[in-house]
Amino acid sequence: GAVVSQHPSWVICKSGTSVKIECRSLDFQATTMFWYRQFPKQSLMLMATSNEGSKATYEQGVEKDKFLINHASLTLSTLTVTSAHPEDSSFYICSARVAGVETQYFGPGTRLLVL
Amino acid sequence: GIQVEQSPPDLILQEGANSTLRCNFSDSVNNLQWFHQNPWGQLINLFYIPSGTKQNGRLSATTVATERYSLLYISSSQTTDSGVYFCAVAYSNAGKSTFGDGTTLTVKP
Repeated sequence: GAVVSQHPSWVICKSGTSVKIECRSLDFQATTMFWYRQFPKQSLMLMATSNEGSKATYEQGVEKDKFLINHASLTLSTLTVTSAHPEDSSFYICSARVAGVETQYFGPGTRLLVL
Repeated sequence: GIQVEQSPPDLILQEGANSTLRCNFSDSVNNLQWFHQNPWGQLINLFYIPSGTKQNGRLSATTVATERYSLLYISSSQTTDSGVYFCAVAYSNAGKSTFGDGTTLTVKP
């Protein structure tokens, strides 16, 4: 149980295009989802917290107009990187948590390369 | 915000050896988890352990909340244990987690 999927696992795009990443909880309903980014050899940095049916809460320094997050249902959250640039190239990871359950479960991540 | 420090940053072991990884945190927490990130990037839950001791096979963990540290023990290490081990803490179960910088473990055959 507690499986989280992400799609796509790999994406290469041209500078200036937008990329959408999906995060799904497959066998449970996630009241909260988190989006992280991880640069090579570094730790995970929280970008935003997403609660179903409400606006995402972004961490300081994360541009909300660039990284659009939609948590439309209890099993799906999406992250759209708008007008991507090479510096947005990174490993994006989502996690999901159920209300009242302490652990968070991570998706396998999406590697984004912007050329 | 809360600070999380992990040590050592890097650890190289021979297969079969034991190791201890440490996580220090700067404030009281209600949520602490240990994760293993494999070479493909997948984070795997190891322990949810805001206090006390837990064991799962060759792995065990102890958190002394009053002294603000947690330890992860790996016994009889195997090459498949290689990867990065992260400690993540939060003030509350509903709150966001702060990750340490991780310990990169390499187990040589």
